[in-house]
Amino acid sequence: AQSVTQLDSHVSVSEGTPVLLRCNYSSSYSPSLFWYVQHPNKGLQLLLKYTSAATLVKGINGFEAEFKKSETSFHLTKPSAHMSDAAEYFCVVSVPGTGFQKLVFGTGTRLLVSP
Amino acid sequence: ETGVTQTPRHLVMGMTNKKSLKCEQHLGHNAMYWYKQSAKKPLELMFVYNFKEQTENNSVPSRFSPECPNSSHLFLHLHTLQPEDSALYLCASSQDLTGRGFNQPQHFGDGTRLSIL
Repeated sequence: AQSVTQLDSHVSVSEGTPVLLRCNYSSSYSPSLFWYVQHPNKGLQLLLKYTSAATLVKGINGFEAEFKKSETSFHLTKPSAHMSDAAEYFCVVSVPGTGFQKLVFGTGTRLLVSP
Repeated sequence: ETGVTQTPRHLVMGMTNKKSLKCEQHLGHNAMYWYKQSAKKPLELMFVYNFKEQTENNSVPSRFSPECPNSSHLFLHLHTLQPEDSALYLCASSQDLTGRGFNQPQHFGDGTRLSIL
């Protein structure tokens, strides 16, 4: 069965320091993977997606993620955190359902950014 | 501006009330979804519609009744809800549900925060 595991429920960084949000996936075939962000009282916004093209994927707001098949990982990084990055981040794997695309969500990582 | 609009943003209702949540997408998508987001739980898929036809009911209790009159609109009718139904209900849409749509992202609305008294 396809699944994702977000290794940290909370990550705290200082503004201007690097961000690393970890995600491991389990999939019986080449997966499609996404990172979404959710700000308070908002829906989920797509940050980036991996669909078997380049293993280093660049997303919005300076985020990027690297697909590593040997480690079954898809960690999200950003060189320098901004206060506005404080939010909840979800790693997601896409699997085929019965005639539809099903998204399987991780439990989320809350990113806290201090001044 | 999000391409998926949900109304109302907040809803407080008693257990015996009947209310409806509305979702509208302006992206030209063919598939629409309802999700439930509860505190400290992963996002739960509830229903999936493709070209107005329901393709998935993820064992959702019958007190939740979806309706999809066209590919742009999706409703969730609520009646005799329970306190544990209090949650954020998110609507999403995606391009299509064929194999080609396997890697298409879903676009989410801002949700309806539902509180059951």
